[in-house]
Amino acid sequence: GDSVTQMEGPVTLSEEAFLTINCTYTATGYPSLFWYVQYPGEGLQLLLKATKADDKGSNKGFEATYRKETTSFHLEKGSVQVSDSAVYFCALGRGSTLGRLYFGRGTQLTVWP
Amino acid sequence: NAGVTQTPKFQVLKTGQSMTLQCAQDMNHEYMSWYRQDPGMGLRLIHYSVGAGITDQGEVPNGYNVSRSTTEDFPLRLLSAAPSQTSVYFCASSYKSTGDYGYTFGSGTRLTVV
Repeated sequence: GDSVTQMEGPVTLSEEAFLTINCTYTATGYPSLFWYVQYPGEGLQLLLKATKADDKGSNKGFEATYRKETTSFHLEKGSVQVSDSAVYFCALGRGSTLGRLYFGRGTQLTVWP
Repeated sequence: NAGVTQTPKFQVLKTGQSMTLQCAQDMNHEYMSWYRQDPGMGLRLIHYSVGAGITDQGEVPNGYNVSRSTTEDFPLRLLSAAPSQTSVYFCASSYKSTGDYGYTFGSGTRLTVV
């Protein structure tokens, strides 16, 4: 069945460091892929998405490229800020009326000044 | 535009009590779902609905009931609360095809069962 695996946290970085959070998926066909961010005490917010192979999703300096050959959707940011401290979730979905999202377990990111 | 509204934000229940977590959306989304979030477990799907009058079970449905009498509302009922139901609950909605649009989440209900 469909599933998502993302790197274990927590991840601790200094401000302006480069960020990578790995995400790989298991699915047949061509699912859509998402990254969500959860700030402390809040619900999840959609950060970016890609709906087909080789698409690059981007938002707020974050990027992720849908790589079907490696079944991956790694999240990257060139220079993190303290305000990026949050939990990041990778998710997989399908374009159907019965669609649901399959979430990874989340990766806690802490950025120090 | 309020998005997805969950009430209450916090709740403490005694074992055996029942309660309803409310969820309402004003975006005319067809797809609504309930997740619970536990440390180290990510988000697990409890129940979902693809439209008014249609509901189905997710991964962890035991101890919970749902109904969808209108497009806007999708309440989650705890029939007899147990300490294992201590969690943060999120309601989410999507316009038709979740795979294309993703979810809009509510801000969550933090439930403690003592």
